[in-house]
Amino acid sequence: DAGVIQSPRHEVTEMGQEVTLRCKPISGHNSLFWYRQTMMRGLELLIYFNNNVPIDDSGMPEDRFSAKMPNASFSTLKIQPSEPRDSAVYFCASTMGGGRAGEKLFFGSGTQLSVL
Amino acid sequence: AQSVTQPDIHITVSEGASLELRCNYSYGATPYLFWYVQSPGQGLQLLLKYFSGDTLVQGIKGFEAEFKRSQSSFNLRKPSVHWSDAAEYFCAVGVIFGKGTRLHILP
Repeated sequence: DAGVIQSPRHEVTEMGQEVTLRCKPISGHNSLFWYRQTMMRGLELLIYFNNNVPIDDSGMPEDRFSAKMPNASFSTLKIQPSEPRDSAVYFCASTMGGGRAGEKLFFGSGTQLSVL
Repeated sequence: AQSVTQPDIHITVSEGASLELRCNYSYGATPYLFWYVQSPGQGLQLLLKYFSGDTLVQGIKGFEAEFKRSQSSFNLRKPSVHWSDAAEYFCAVGVIFGKGTRLHILP
């Protein structure tokens, strides 16, 4: 089975540009999570979806960040406009089960974002 | 609110030595506890988990962890580390992660 697929693996952009990160969860999983990893803050939960519905977006740092899940097999995380402090590795994870209690998470390989 | 503390940012041990990585959590109910490992440039992979029952849980790659409710701890252990264990290790309560501990192995 294919795991969680993220694209692109690397993204380099200039400050002010729009950035879109993509994620395809494992087929049959009904929960999807977006995380941001930095040296300073570690692995931060940004938002998670259950059955394509955003359940908790309290971790989204500001209005420049938005996430969508139009169907069970695709999600996007968008940053508009991007800033240098957004540079990080962004991970997508998926799981069965419906919430934060914590079934095992399956992680993608991440998107390394660099905003110049 | 849930939170996870991993007090050691870096740990260095010699190959063949024993290992213990510390994890403390804050959670109001019975926690679901996890340890994940991240190799460079990769996502996280589950090592082991605790939901209920026996407080000593066995995981992959020879790792084990012990849940101690009285100490709000879930420390990860391995009797003898291998060079391939060098990685970053994350403790989690549910889907909330600690900041990680980077393990370095001396030859």
